[in-house]
Amino acid sequence: EVQLVESGGGLVKPGGSLRLSCAASGFTFSSYSLNWVRQAPGKGLEWVSSISSGSSYIYYADSVKGRFTISRDNAVNSLYLRMNSLRAEDTAVYYCARGVVGEMRSWFESWGQGTLVTVSS
Amino acid sequence: DIQMTQSPSTLSASVGDRVTITCRASQSISSWLAWYQQKPGKVPKVLIYKASSLESGVPSRFSGSGSGTEFTLTISSLQPDDFATYYCQQYDTYPITFGGGTKVEIK
Repeated sequence: EVQLVESGGGLVKPGGSLRLSCAASGFTFSSYSLNWVRQAPGKGLEWVSSISSGSSYIYYADSVKGRFTISRDNAVNSLYLRMNSLRAEDTAVYYCARGVVGEMRSWFESWGQGTLVTVSS
Repeated sequence: DIQMTQSPSTLSASVGDRVTITCRASQSISSWLAWYQQKPGKVPKVLIYKASSLESGVPSRFSGSGSGTEFTLTISSLQPDDFATYYCQQYDTYPITFGGGTKVEIK
């Protein structure tokens, strides 16, 4: 069974930093592209960032470019999102989502339960 | 960036109704479109990928059609479990973009 478990969310002050993690199991982690998607309270889905299976290709939404860094460690089946210079508008549930095997051009087949990030003074 | 426009934003329907949701892309995305269902407090779930392919385990009352810039999600006979918010997503080009969502409510 595919499992994606996010952690690292919490309350942080504007300008602060946070590192989210996504621990994966139940599939060959190194064969899949991975993604972060967020959802602000009461709002729709917003794609944040994607990383290819071998980390060769990385993409960011303009809203987080230069502030967020996606990375992965295939040795420990984990995905990360380093978030710096956080703003109130970054407040959201952050989901880890898996694409389909071997494809960057992919829908999001599996999702984690999400971790809430709240940016507030 | 490719803009995804869903309509309507809210839809009131009764159990047994045929429901159609439309998603329009600001430029051609071929068939690189997915549909997701999300219930309150729950994780999004993929229903349709490649515009018309039904995800495994999804009831056959859900169907998708379209290509290029115009797409539809159809629920042939609305069931109580289908009251939720639906999102389209293009994955043709980065940045990946979602539609604004369509909330299907009980009439």
